[in-house]
Amino acid sequence: QQQVKQSPQSLIVQKGGISIINCAYENTAFDYFPWYQQFPGKGPALLIAIRPDVSEKKEGRFTISFNKSAKQFSLHIMDSQPGDSATYFCAAGAWGKLQFGAGTQVVVTP
Amino acid sequence: EAGVVQSPRYKIIEKKQPVAFWCNPISGHNTLYWYLQNLGQGPELLIRYENEEAVDDSQLPKDRFSAERLKGVDSTLKIQPAELGDSAVYLCACSFVLEGEQYFGPGTRLTVT
Repeated sequence: QQQVKQSPQSLIVQKGGISIINCAYENTAFDYFPWYQQFPGKGPALLIAIRPDVSEKKEGRFTISFNKSAKQFSLHIMDSQPGDSATYFCAAGAWGKLQFGAGTQVVVTP
Repeated sequence: EAGVVQSPRYKIIEKKQPVAFWCNPISGHNTLYWYLQNLGQGPELLIRYENEEAVDDSQLPKDRFSAERLKGVDSTLKIQPAELGDSAVYLCACSFVLEGEQYFGPGTRLTVT
């Protein structure tokens, strides 16, 4: 049973544009929502994370928006750059145990 | 600070053969995870260690998979015998504390022929 649903599966954005990836979860016990970035041949690396006591968190060009009542959260990548081309995974969990989404492949065109 | 080290990076074996993966976590990181990542999917937890104790192995197929973390540092994940469906990337991750940020290694890509 997939506890974290991620969309879209892939997206193409022009340089300077905004990339938006959405995730939905089911388990209301989840209290930690990280986003990971993965390049080919590498392990996932933490980008940004949020806990349910806030509705938004921004770090540089990356912003998480969190809607606790809807059990949804999203990643916004502002001013997308070719170096942002990667696969992005949302995750949700508690007590260190994470459930990952299926991933979104982002391609930023020059 | 050195990152998570995994070896080998790639492994090709025939079905029914045994295989082992090794992980050296970041120094001082007491929590260690083994994940399975199928192509086009997110990581799935296989087992989690707190020091040398396996605290969550509910997703580990125990008929063919085993893991150990002697002395609470390095860890080894073993498959015996391997099946075609085991072809995937096996990721090791660690965190300083139970709910801390998880740092991933580069993974071992296993191909079973």
